[in-house]
Amino acid sequence: AQSVTQLDSQVPVFEEAPVELRCNYSSSVSVYLFWYVQYPNQGLQLLLKYLSGSTLVKGINGFEAEFNKSQTSFHLRKPSVHISDTAEYFCAVKGGGATNKLIFGTGTLLAVQP
Amino acid sequence: DAGVIQSPRHEVTEMGQEVTLRCKPISGHNSLFWYRQTMMRGLELLIYFNNNVPIDDSGMPEDRFSAKMPNASFSTLKIQPSEPRDSAVYFCASSSGQGSNQPQHFGDGTRLSIL
Repeated sequence: AQSVTQLDSQVPVFEEAPVELRCNYSSSVSVYLFWYVQYPNQGLQLLLKYLSGSTLVKGINGFEAEFNKSQTSFHLRKPSVHISDTAEYFCAVKGGGATNKLIFGTGTLLAVQP
Repeated sequence: DAGVIQSPRHEVTEMGQEVTLRCKPISGHNSLFWYRQTMMRGLELLIYFNNNVPIDDSGMPEDRFSAKMPNASFSTLKIQPSEPRDSAVYFCASSSGQGSNQPQHFGDGTRLSIL
């Protein structure tokens, strides 16, 4: 069975500083990995996805993530954050095969301060 | 392109009443998901459909909850009778392709408050 761990429930950071949101997964099969962002009072929006190929994936709003198979990680990074990046970020994993289910982490609140 | 459309956006009702949440998936998507989000439990998958057929309803909390998908463009989640502990934000999401690597697209949710 797959699982996702987001160790940090909240990450405070100053505007224009770099940030990394951590995500670790466990799976016995090949996986597809996703990061979603949720702004207040909105649904989840896809930031980026890793399906195969290059381990460095670029997404919207200047975010990128690196798939590391040996460390079973898929950390999200941004070199310089804005106030508008304040939101909840969810990592998710989907195993191969027939299932369409996504397993979500518990989320990390990115709080950008001026 | 129209995204996933949920209605109503907000619902406030009294305990014991029937509540019906509605979802219109993205046209052409054949998988539909219902989630519940609360502070205590985070994001929980309640049920998902593929080609209008329920595939996994193991997340449905109890018999008071039921979901239907009568056609490819419409689904409902019903709670009867409702209880205060059902208060949450309910999301619908859709994606294309059984077993595919396509991401899920989420609606803006229904914020449900049971008094």
